[in-house]
Amino acid sequence: AQSVAQPEDQVNVAEGNPLTVKCTYSVSGNPYLFWYVQYPNRGLQFLLKYITGDNLVKGSYGFEAEFNKSQTSFHLKKPSALVSDSALYFCAVRGWAAGNKLTFGGGTRVLVKP
Amino acid sequence: ETGVTQTPRHLVMGMTNKKSLKCEQHLGHNAMYWYKQSAKKPLELMFVYSLEERVENNSVPSRFSPECPNSSHLFLHLHTLQPEDSALYLCASSQASGSSYNEQFFGPGTRLTVL
Repeated sequence: AQSVAQPEDQVNVAEGNPLTVKCTYSVSGNPYLFWYVQYPNRGLQFLLKYITGDNLVKGSYGFEAEFNKSQTSFHLKKPSALVSDSALYFCAVRGWAAGNKLTFGGGTRVLVKP
Repeated sequence: ETGVTQTPRHLVMGMTNKKSLKCEQHLGHNAMYWYKQSAKKPLELMFVYSLEERVENNSVPSRFSPECPNSSHLFLHLHTLQPEDSALYLCASSQASGSSYNEQFFGPGTRLTVL
């Protein structure tokens, strides 16, 4: 079975400071990893994915994530947070043999204060 | 229209009503999904359709009935729902090729309230 853990329900950060949202996963074989963001009253919006290759993945809106196989982690990062980054962030994983079944974490709410 | 659209955006229904949620994707994808998002619970995958064939049904109660008439449209028919079914229902689509499935694109969701 595959699973995702987002250990923090909420992350508070001051505007301009670095933002990190943590994600760890468990899956059989090589993982496919994704980050999504959800703004109020909206669906999930794709940010970035790791399939293979470079461990540092760059995505939309200045976000990036680092795949760490030994720590089974895929933390989302942004060097300088904006107030508009305040939203709900979801990490998701799919095992190579899982077909199209994504497993999502519980989500982390990010609050960026001016 | 672009991306994934869902109608209605909000729905209030009684426990004896029958209603349907509609999803349409304008991305040329061949896989579509229904998810349930409840407060303080992880996103729950309900159904997956690939090439118009249901390939996943995650032990969803029979009061939820999906329908995929073609690769662009997905419906979720609702009947005799319970108050605990109140949630945000999200539709998504993706392009599946061989054993590879790309990222999913989500619609804005239908906020369902069951009285």
